[in-house]
Amino acid sequence: DQQVKQNSPSLSVQEGRISILNCDYTNSMFDYFLWYKKYPAEGPTFLISISSIKDKNEDGRFTVFLNKSAKHLSLHIVPSQPGDSAVYFCAASRNAGGTSYGKLTFGQGTILTVHP
Amino acid sequence: ETGVTQSPTHLIKTRGQQVTLRCSSQSGHNTVSWYQQALGQGPQFIFQYYREEENGRGNFPPRFSGLQFPNYSSELNVNALELDDSALYLCASRGPRDRDNEQYFGPGTRLTVT
Repeated sequence: DQQVKQNSPSLSVQEGRISILNCDYTNSMFDYFLWYKKYPAEGPTFLISISSIKDKNEDGRFTVFLNKSAKHLSLHIVPSQPGDSAVYFCAASRNAGGTSYGKLTFGQGTILTVHP
Repeated sequence: ETGVTQSPTHLIKTRGQQVTLRCSSQSGHNTVSWYQQALGQGPQFIFQYYREEENGRGNFPPRFSGLQFPNYSSELNVNALELDDSALYLCASRGPRDRDNEQYFGPGTRLTVT
């Protein structure tokens, strides 16, 4: 039962253009969403997050959009840089009553390649 | 550099054996989670420890167990290894003021079961 899905295994873009990575989820109880970036031989690194009470969050070149009715989120990277080449994971969590419960449900990941 | 280290980096075991993986967190990080990442998949939550007690578990059998120690280190133990246990095992830790998004992941231990 894949509750978080990233249907594109890979994405290739030109340097300077926009990268759009997509993620769908099925569990309506998720209320917090995150994007992680992973380089080879390293653990995932937090990139950006969004609460379900918002529909957009921006941090520099990275913007995450959330469409709750469609159960869909996307990560936009503008402009894309070769150093952005990595595996990107979306993840979802459910904040249970304010207690810090760290279970993250991850998608399968999308390999982003940014060509110079 | 997340300040979270894991050992060993790579490990090869035989089916039926037992394995212990180790994680060392930043000082003050009293919550640690373990994830299993199979090839081509995203990390899957195994369990979480808070103040040395398990307080959340994913869909993994009891042969996956853990320990958390007062010095901010932790262990993942897997008994009766199966071929499907071959994966990258990640630990992630955070402190009392960190939110879920501030989980700091280690580089992982690559376990191969033959």
